[in-house]
Amino acid sequence: EAGVAQSPRYKIIEKRQSVAFWCNPISGHATLYWYQQILGQGPKLLIQFQNNGVVDDSQLPKDRFSAERLKGVDSTLKIQPAKLEDSAVYLCASSLFYPGRWNTEAFFGQGTRLTVV
Amino acid sequence: DAKTTQPTSMDCAEGRAANLPCNHSTISGNEYVYWYRQIHSQGPQYIIHGLKNNETNEMASLIITEDRKSSTLILPHATLRDTAVYYCIVSDMRFGAGTRLTVKP
Repeated sequence: EAGVAQSPRYKIIEKRQSVAFWCNPISGHATLYWYQQILGQGPKLLIQFQNNGVVDDSQLPKDRFSAERLKGVDSTLKIQPAKLEDSAVYLCASSLFYPGRWNTEAFFGQGTRLTVV
Repeated sequence: DAKTTQPTSMDCAEGRAANLPCNHSTISGNEYVYWYRQIHSQGPQYIIHGLKNNETNEMASLIITEDRKSSTLILPHATLRDTAVYYCIVSDMRFGAGTRLTVKP
């Protein structure tokens, strides 16, 4: 079974530039998550999708971050404009969804390491 | 913020059992407890999860207290490859800082 695919693996940009990350979840997984992981910290949930609808984006800095999952499959996360403090690993994860059950186990991609200089 | 609290770090001798505690005193009745681990430069890897009953799989055992306010992940025979950061989370999928487990020869 193919895992969660993310690209690119690495990205270096200058501050105030824009950047986009792509995620293709495991086939059939209705739930998709984006996380930001700063060095030395645990992953921080940015946004959760259920199919193409947003379930939780309370921790997404909406002034500069945006995410979409138009067809309920793959997803993109964008930062515009980037700041130095956005340097982190951006992780995508996906899980199955069963009605009546809050969540199932999530499977993570390898992440995209972003460096803002 | 995460609903779980864990010790920052723990050590374990190779071949011995590693017991990693987690507190989740505000867990809701229908929320599961999940454990993941993260080895340097990789995405978190799912280990095990449970609701009320104790669970065991090929990787680990999960012991959940009767009041569901805490749990313990047990790695029965720790190896050097089990050195990682271990995260305990509930169904809201919000991670804390986790426990850095170091398995020593």
